[in-house]
This record gives sequence, structure tokens and C-alpha cells, in this order.
Amino acid sequence: SAVISQKPSRDICQRGTSLTIQCQVDSQVTMMFWYRQQPGQSLTLIATANQGSEATYESGFVIDKFPISRPNLTFSTLTVSNMSPEDSSIYLCSVEATSGDTQYFGPGTRLTVL
Amino acid sequence: QKEVEQNSGPLSVPEGAIASLNCTYSDRGSQSFFWYRQYSGKSPELIMSIYSNGDKEDGRFTAQLNKASQYVSLLIRDSQPSDSATYLCAGGDSGGYQKVTFGTGTKLQVIP
Repeated sequence: SAVISQKPSRDICQRGTSLTIQCQVDSQVTMMFWYRQQPGQSLTLIATANQGSEATYESGFVIDKFPISRPNLTFSTLTVSNMSPEDSSIYLCSVEATSGDTQYFGPGTRLTVL
Repeated sequence: QKEVEQNSGPLSVPEGAIASLNCTYSDRGSQSFFWYRQYSGKSPELIMSIYSNGDKEDGRFTAQLNKASQYVSLLIRDSQPSDSATYLCAGGDSGGYQKVTFGTGTKLQVIP
């Protein structure tokens, strides 16, 4: 199974600032995803991080607010820009197993915006 | 808009009993279904996937799918306190993980 790490594990940020979250996988994976899980709610897909091309964003999420990089097959970053308290959430990266039969989640980044 | 509905719970069952978790989905085009377990403060962990009508068993867990009724369930036999967690149901368009829609989860409490 893939081992996924995320940095930072948690952060408290001021309104109007930006935070970049890193996701590192211990093996090469084709598909990487970024999710948001707001308090008491389920997971919402933000975007698919594509290696070598622009990320594919879901409805309601835009590149200016959530720029994503995917420089290689083991690493991706998600930036939460110009943060507001509404961005307080857990942000999770995930990868699809090469078998295509499961999805592994990283430990998550708990973000609080004051 | 695709939706996956779950009762938020909490569902309380005594230790050793069968816990039954239910989920309905709105998109008849959904082909793949997943159950994730999420402990408080932790990330989701896949415990079952099911693609065909009927039952699929894995240890103490049984997933059931009825596409005609757009209904998915998870049975946990011999429930243990360590099973206490939130269980997320998810549905996808195909066997892959793009466009998977998650439910809001059912919180399960197993009482010793």
C-alpha cells in the first residue's frame, strides 16, 4: 500500500494569507487528488492533480483560490490563497492505487483561519 | 447533482451485535461503491468496495448492493468497541476514483 505524508499536519493562519500544503507519496502514482472535509461534513473533491499539466478542478473550486502543482509522480502541493475563516477545514490528498481498486488518503492537514 | 445519503447517527449497538449501516444514492449511472471507516481525527480508510448486485463478504464485514433500489449497506458482525468510528459511503462512475461522491457518514458507537 502507498504511504502518504502531508505537511503541515495542522496550522493556524490569519485571514488574507496563503498556505501551501505538501503531499508526498512513497511510490510513483498516476492519479492524485485533493479533498476538503469541513467540520461535520463529508469529503468534497477539490481537484485532480495532473502530472505535467494543469489540475482539473471540480465545480465551485478555481485555480486562483486553490493553485495546485504536480511536478512529478510522487509529489503535489495545494495552496489555499487569500484565506478566510470559511476555508477552515481538513485538507486531504489521496492517490489511486496502481491496481485501480482502492484509494489511499494522506493523514490530512487541519487548517484554522482566524 | 449526484448525491449519496446516509443517516448521520449516531448508531449505537452493543458489543457483539450486528451493526447495519445504510446508504442511498441518486445517480443510476453509478457503478462502483465504497465504504470507508474514519476514526476521529484520522483520514478515511477503505474497508469494502462493491460493484455488482448482491453481497460481498470480507471477514466481519458484508457489503450489500441493490442497484434497482439504489441502495448500499454495510453489515458489521460481532461489533467491537474498536469499530466505533464514522463510516462513509461513496459512489463512483466507474471502477476508478475520479468523480467519487461521498456521503456525510454515519457515526457508529459500539457499547462495551
